[in-house]
Amino acid sequence: AQSVTQPDIHITVSEGASLELRCNYSYGATPYLFWYVQSPGQGLQLLLKYFSGDTLVQGIKGFEAEFKRSQSSFNLRKPSVHWSDAAEYFCAVEIEANNLFFGTGTRLTVIP
Amino acid sequence: EPEVTQTPSHQVTQMGQEVILRCVPISNHLYFYWYRQILGQKVEFLVSFYNNEISEKSEIFDDQFSVERPDGSNFTLKIRSTKLEDSAMYFCASSEREGYGYTFGSGTRLTVV
Repeated sequence: AQSVTQPDIHITVSEGASLELRCNYSYGATPYLFWYVQSPGQGLQLLLKYFSGDTLVQGIKGFEAEFKRSQSSFNLRKPSVHWSDAAEYFCAVEIEANNLFFGTGTRLTVIP
Repeated sequence: EPEVTQTPSHQVTQMGQEVILRCVPISNHLYFYWYRQILGQKVEFLVSFYNNEISEKSEIFDDQFSVERPDGSNFTLKIRSTKLEDSAMYFCASSEREGYGYTFGSGTRLTVV
């Protein structure tokens, strides 16, 4: 069955520390891959996307993600987290059916 | 930056009542979507809409749901007879083309009492 897995439900990091949020997908082919962020009470904001080409993609707010075909992963990273990064992060994949499948999300807490 | 606008931001309705959730997609976008997020759960696909017709829909999108693009700017989701389990955040999204990434609105929180 097709699925998107975010194994970490909740992550807490100190401000200034590095961050990596994990995402794995299970599909026959390489889908389009996305990371979205949702601040409390807000909508979903696109951080970055991967379609093809360079497997390391840069996004907004200093985030980057690396697509690893061999591991079916698309992990999100940031070298130095800011307090304003506290939010819910969703990995999503789009296949030919023209809709997005979301992971269950990872809530990020940033401590001073 | 262009936005997807959703109204209202919060709606409370009685079980069995009809609700219409409204969305104004980005003007040059051609693909439109509704997603929902039940509290504490993941975001789920409901329906996609292109060229004035539904292109895909999920199992959730049963006969109680319908979508419409009544004019050139609005995209609506109607729930004919709301149930308690329809309480969720409903997100509208639009996309310029397939696989291009979606722009989501800030959502409508629907509470069915």
